[in-house]
Amino acid sequence: DIQMTQSPSSLSASVGDRVTITCRASQSIANYLNWYQQKPGKAPKLLISVASSLQSGVPSRFSGSGSGTDFTLTISSLQPEDFATYYCQQSYSTLSYTFGQGTKLEIK
Amino acid sequence: EVQLVESGGGLVQPGGSLRLSCEASGFTFSNYAMHWVRQAPGKGLEYVSGISTNGGSTYYANSVKGRFTISRDNSKNTLYLQMGSLRTEDMAVYYCARATGDYWGQGTLVTVSS
Repeated sequence: DIQMTQSPSSLSASVGDRVTITCRASQSIANYLNWYQQKPGKAPKLLISVASSLQSGVPSRFSGSGSGTDFTLTISSLQPEDFATYYCQQSYSTLSYTFGQGTKLEIK
Repeated sequence: EVQLVESGGGLVQPGGSLRLSCEASGFTFSNYAMHWVRQAPGKGLEYVSGISTNGGSTYYANSVKGRFTISRDNSKNTLYLQMGSLRTEDMAVYYCARATGDYWGQGTLVTVSS
């Protein structure tokens, strides 16, 4: 199975900050990488698919980049509603879409 | 409106069995591969199982292989997860999701305890 490693596992930041979360795959996954946001008690929400394609309705302050094994999620200017846990997920392996361990974004 | 509604969760003793269902509406269910994903209390997301559009291909995480069975009934727009030999570490909220990741159910809680 493809292993996904996110860093950092937690992050403290302030409203207005620019933050970057990284995700590394154990083998090349081309651009088959999704990013999710999850808030407590809620199902994950898809933010970005195929590494950089922003889902409809997701604010443009979110962006994704990368290919191969290294990927990043950037939030250009943090808003109060962005404090949540973020997960990457590879969609390269047929039917086996493993997740990273998550990055908890907290208010400083 | 696309909806995925899970049911079947509850309290079960270690070693017991449970069947989860996920009823889909608002889209052509038979056109989408489907997944089960779980989240133990306070933990991250764990991909559990996936099934192809016609049910001919399935995948299981090592943690559930041989104990869980995924299936689907396209005539009923329903996805299933038959869980057996349940362990305390299987306790989690179980979500069904479209393989595209864009729609998820609300989750159903499975508690494994004596």
